[in-house]
Amino acid sequence: KNEVEQSPQNLTAQEGEFITINCSYSVGISALHWLQQHPGGGIVSLFMLSSGKKKHGRLIATINIQEKHSSLHITASHPRDSAVYICAAPYSGGGADGLTFGKGTHLIIQP
Amino acid sequence: DAGVTQSPTHLIKTRGQQVTLRCSPISGHKSVSWYQQVLGQGPQFIFQYYEKEERGRGNFPDRFSARQFPNYSSELNVNALLLGDSALYLCASSLSLAVNYEQYFGPGTRLTVT
Repeated sequence: KNEVEQSPQNLTAQEGEFITINCSYSVGISALHWLQQHPGGGIVSLFMLSSGKKKHGRLIATINIQEKHSSLHITASHPRDSAVYICAAPYSGGGADGLTFGKGTHLIIQP
Repeated sequence: DAGVTQSPTHLIKTRGQQVTLRCSPISGHKSVSWYQQVLGQGPQFIFQYYEKEERGRGNFPDRFSARQFPNYSSELNVNALLLGDSALYLCASSLSLAVNYEQYFGPGTRLTVT
């Protein structure tokens, strides 16, 4: 089973700060997912990436397959970015699989 | 198009009872996965179904079972409920079995076992 570790577990920052959340996994994978979960439980997919870098608005995700590491960055953070951010990798490391999730990073952006 | 739907939204059961949770995927999605999320933790993988067949299973006891119907909707059944089964149960659908396809999550069913 793939083991997924995230850091930090909790992060409080001021509006406008640059945010970085890190994710590492134990088994080589074909794709990694970044997701956002708001209070109440709803989960939204932010990125699915298998190499390099993806950007969507103020969010940037990078992955280094060789080092088994990915990062999620938020530029010009805003209070509406406050949420739990979770990375997820294939459960067994395979190409057709369920996902195993990190414990999440609870982000609070203060105005 | 409607997103992934789950029913019921909330459920309270007593230890030893059985429960059935339901999930309807996005139209055209053939893959459905089930996850359990205990408060304060990340979701844990329970099952993946594709084309009505079980294609993956996490580390859960045999009290947990699931099935997928010809219209690709799915049910998760849990027998002999324990207090530790209290959690948010999430369903996710995808176009494909492959992990490099976007996953779409339902709002979840919150199960409380007393």
